[in-house]
Amino acid sequence: DTGVSQDPRHKITKRGQNVTFRCDPISEHNRLYWYRQTLGQGPEFLTYFQNEAQLEKSRLLSDRFSAERPKGSFSTLEIQRTEQGDSAMYLCASSPWGLAGNNEQFFGPGTRLTVL
Amino acid sequence: AQKITQTQPGMFVQEKEAVTLDCTYDTSDPSYGLFWYKQPSSGEMIFLIYQGSYDQQNATEGRYSLNFQKARKSANLVISASQLGDSAMYFCAMGDDTGGFKTIFGAGTRLFVKA
Repeated sequence: DTGVSQDPRHKITKRGQNVTFRCDPISEHNRLYWYRQTLGQGPEFLTYFQNEAQLEKSRLLSDRFSAERPKGSFSTLEIQRTEQGDSAMYLCASSPWGLAGNNEQFFGPGTRLTVL
Repeated sequence: AQKITQTQPGMFVQEKEAVTLDCTYDTSDPSYGLFWYKQPSSGEMIFLIYQGSYDQQNATEGRYSLNFQKARKSANLVISASQLGDSAMYFCAMGDDTGGFKTIFGAGTRLFVKA
């Protein structure tokens, strides 16, 4: 088991361009989360999937953001018409479902986005 | 609304000593889970410890223990016998107790361990 992986690790783009990030969760985990983290802050929840269903979406996620998890495995996060304020670390995490008690989230290494 | 507050932006501790990182929370949910994560300079979030709101005993994981005071809505992390490798950002977080769904994170505390 290689843990949660994210691709790319770094992305530099020009304002107005579209970008897409990919997250591969731990294989047996059916819950998948996306967070955004800016410098000096804690992660902010963006959205959450249980299998292929997107069950919750933060108000932080404007119409320019869309996330999918088509087969309940990997997920993609797309940002359209990027703005400089979108520059941040985008973190993906996964967790198992159905276990009582401790259900820690396993985080990937993140994708650092820089919008010029 | 749920909220996590970490009032210590930075903390210093001497190697081999214990340190307490503060965390207070606010929620109206009767059932919730509290988490602590470590984020070294490499950036990856590492789970440390979990406390369920109905757990009677304070959680412990090796050198980490969680001082859970439900009435005061506090969930402080205690690190015993600090090591240089403990230097990192530490985040307190709260979610439901079935998987941390929509987990809310605090702003973090940066811990510096001095040799």
